[in-house]
Amino acid sequence: AQKVTQAQTEISVVEKEDVTLDCVYETRDTTYYLFWYKQPPSGELVFLIRRNSFDEQNEISGRYSWNFQKSTSSFNFTITASQVVDSAVYFCALKMDSSYKLIFGSGTRLLVRP
Amino acid sequence: GAGVSQTPSNKVTEKGKYVELRCDPISGHTALYWYRQSLGQGPEFLIYFQGTGAADDSGLPNDRFFAVRPEGSVSTLKIQRTERGDSAVYLCASSSSLGLAGEGNEQFFGPGTRLTVL
Repeated sequence: AQKVTQAQTEISVVEKEDVTLDCVYETRDTTYYLFWYKQPPSGELVFLIRRNSFDEQNEISGRYSWNFQKSTSSFNFTITASQVVDSAVYFCALKMDSSYKLIFGSGTRLLVRP
Repeated sequence: GAGVSQTPSNKVTEKGKYVELRCDPISGHTALYWYRQSLGQGPEFLIYFQGTGAADDSGLPNDRFFAVRPEGSVSTLKIQRTERGDSAVYLCASSSSLGLAGEGNEQFFGPGTRLTVL
C-alpha cells in the first residue's frame, strides 16, 4: 500500500530559527513522484516542489531546501531563517507512476512566532 | 493568468439536501481532479477527469457523489441526500498534462468550497 506519514502534527518556532518538516513515504513502485505543498490560512494549496524517484539530488530554493533519501524513504523539507509568513500547514504528497492521484500526508502545522 | 476557481466558497445546507459545487480549471488544462479535505487531514482523492470522461472515480465514497465535465473544461461535483459526514472542504485541481501515469506534472489547486451540512 502507498502511504505518506508526517509525524509532526504541529511545530512552533521563533522567527529566524531553522525548522525541518519530516516526510516518510511508502510505496513498492520504483518510479514515483514526491511533492510538497503549502496551505496558508486562506486555504489554497500552493505547490512548492516536485521530485521524481530517480533524482536524489537535494534542492535549494532561497530559504527552502529539500533532502530526498530513498534509503530511508524520506523527503524532508527545511526552512532556513524562518519568517512569520511561513506560518501555514505543509503537506507532503506521493504520486505513483501507475496512478493519477496524489496521496497526501496529514500535514504539519508550522507556527512562526515573531 | 487566472488560477483554478471554485464556487461557491462556502455552502451551508441541511441534511438530506442536494448540492452542486463548481470548478473552473486553468485554461488549457486537460486534467481535472476533485479532492476532499476533512478538518485536520490532508486532501483525499475523489475523482479524476481526462477531458470529458471520468478516468478514475475510485475515490468517490458512495453513489450519492457524482461529478461531470460535459465540455472538458468546467466540472461540477454533485452530492445527493447530503449527510453531516459530508461536511469538508472540497478542492479542485488541474494540471497541464494529461495527468497520465508516468508523468509527475504538478496539480494546481483552487481555494476550495467549504461545505457544511447541518
